[in-house]
Amino acid sequence: DAGITQSPRHKVTETGTPVTLRCHQTENHRYMYWYRQDPGHGLRLIHYSYGVKDTDKGEVSDGYSVSRSKTEDFLLTLESATSSQTSVYFCAISGGTDANQPQHFGDGTRLSIL
Amino acid sequence: GQSLEQPSEVTAVEGAIVQINCTYQTSGFYGLSWYQQHDGGAPTFLSYNALDGLEETGRFSSFLSRSDSYGYLLLQELQMKDSASYFCAVREESNAGNMLTFGGGTRLMVKP
Repeated sequence: DAGITQSPRHKVTETGTPVTLRCHQTENHRYMYWYRQDPGHGLRLIHYSYGVKDTDKGEVSDGYSVSRSKTEDFLLTLESATSSQTSVYFCAISGGTDANQPQHFGDGTRLSIL
Repeated sequence: GQSLEQPSEVTAVEGAIVQINCTYQTSGFYGLSWYQQHDGGAPTFLSYNALDGLEETGRFSSFLSRSDSYGYLLLQELQMKDSASYFCAVREESNAGNMLTFGGGTRLMVKP
């Protein structure tokens, strides 16, 4: 299994509070991704990173920011959480552009915003 | 942009064969991937098709027709453990490596 650790695994917080989710990898992969998964929507890309300090927006980036200060860590921050951001969040990593290097996913973070 | 359509649910019996279809619309297509996800678990990679035709990996096969913007995942000799959600995903070229757009998923229920 790819070495990906997401923390925390579960979190309950209140509307308006800041929340940071962490994705840590031990594979030294260049590419990292944050998705959210909601019923009926599959996985939707929030932000991605193609190297240290290199990030860009995905399909559903509003209300989220990311940072990648070192290869192994990719942080997702909700500056002021809203109930619509209640979801399961997955981090994924990929070794490169080769199609034979698929994305590998972490175990997810279940986030509830009350 | 990209959009993908796949059935929301499929039911089959143990030992049978099931096919999960995926149609896509995309401005730039490089390949179609399939992922499996058990309830409460992480998505895991099953297969990838960049060219037309059938790719076989054990009991699972995946097919692609680029001219029809269509692909499918074929599961043979179904087992109870195959009960899961299956996602097709289109790969697009970008500076983000293997950038994927996922379909909404097909929930497969295998019955005894």
